Amino acid sequence: RKEVEQDPGPFNVPEGATVAFNCTYSNSASQSFFWYRQDCRKEPKLLMSVYSSGNEDGRFTAQLNRASQYISLLIRDSKLSDSATYLCVVNPLTGKLIFGQGTELSVKP
Amino acid sequence: NAGVMQNPRHLVRRRGQEARLRCSPMKGHSHVYWYRQLPEEGLKFMVYLQKENIIDESGMPKERFSAEFPKEGPSILRIQQVVRGDSAAYFCASSPGFFGEETQYFGPGTRLLVL
Repeated sequence: RKEVEQDPGPFNVPEGATVAFNCTYSNSASQSFFWYRQDCRKEPKLLMSVYSSGNEDGRFTAQLNRASQYISLLIRDSKLSDSATYLCVVNPLTGKLIFGQGTELSVKP
Repeated sequence: NAGVMQNPRHLVRRRGQEARLRCSPMKGHSHVYWYRQLPEEGLKFMVYLQKENIIDESGMPKERFSAEFPKEGPSILRIQQVVRGDSAAYFCASSPGFFGEETQYFGPGTRLLVL
């Protein structure tokens, strides 16, 4: 079983749509969780950290369920500029980040 | 405040040559991490360093690969006797510290192509 598993992509959605990505992780001792985005295999850029209480940043909402070892990202009112690969990332507090394979999102006009 | 810097951005080597990849962390960051992204794959951790210390090298291939972060100067990822399978994007990340400040910021990467 992979340490971090994400929904297979690609997701093709029209502008304005709401899209949700899911992710599960295997190490129950993991303490920090993130969503990064990667454009055209350039460097990953931090989108948001994920907290147990859930957190929102504009059109983006992240949720964490520690009991189920499940992380989600919701994007509302999708924009063309949201097209990218979204990476679910876990830090088991050993220093290294564990990345999921990524889910590709393509927002069409 | 300059971000994480990596050079070269692109590197072409023939099989058997050496590749040296450099990474300068963000100002004020003392922790450096190297990750590799093979074609069509996700990012994989290679090594975690602090100044003059290797903290975790569990992701490094056993042979040909080494990393250092000297007291002065950038971190270096060195690949000896490169093979075609080493062709990948190598990303460096840095963070201010470990506990409590573990957000990692990535450099633009070095694309290594082995002919």
